[in-house]
Amino acid sequence: DGGITQSPKYLFRKEGQNVTLSCEQNLNHDAMYWYRQDPGQGLRLIYYSQIVNDFQKGDIAEGYSVSREKKESFPLTVTSAQKNPTAFYLCASSELHYNEQFFGPGTRLTVL
Amino acid sequence: EDQVTQSPEALRLQEGESSSLNCSYTVSGLRGLFWYRQDPGKGPEFLFTLYSAGEEKEKERLKATLTKKESFLHITAPKPEDSATYLCAVQAGGSQGNLIFGKGTKLSVKP
Repeated sequence: DGGITQSPKYLFRKEGQNVTLSCEQNLNHDAMYWYRQDPGQGLRLIYYSQIVNDFQKGDIAEGYSVSREKKESFPLTVTSAQKNPTAFYLCASSELHYNEQFFGPGTRLTVL
Repeated sequence: EDQVTQSPEALRLQEGESSSLNCSYTVSGLRGLFWYRQDPGKGPEFLFTLYSAGEEKEKERLKATLTKKESFLHITAPKPEDSATYLCAVQAGGSQGNLIFGKGTKLSVKP
């Protein structure tokens, strides 16, 4: 089955730790995205990548970093510089940047 | 500034009671409007893309329509399994073309 996988489903982080969220897709999509979802707010774009080895900042990139070394994979690192990282993180992909986006199941990150 | 507003925030319906969800937008040059369904604790599920005013798309009990200022998601004879949060997003033309999401409408359908 083609789709997007995210791991882990739940992640707990201590203050001052960096953590990496995994996102993999087997849809052969060129574009991939990371969003953050908080209660009562719309999805907010963190980073996106339209092609391998290239990515751009979204609206709330501070405290996050990404890499795109393979077409299938777009991991997100939440660094200790992110002041309020507790949220639901969603990865998405699209065939090209202007096409509809398809989402993974999400990772819920909690800071202890 | 590009903006998306969804109303109402929450909607309670009885099974079989048809209604509509609204998504109003201000964007410089609409490239596309997207509807998603999101169940609690899950990722959004793609429903429809609309590109131009007057366009309509249907899927089972759902029908999405688009005007120059808003989109409606009509739900006909809803069932309890239609309960979810429905998200609307717009994509502006231009070099970035990132999606701008509304906050969603939480729909509850009671048997």
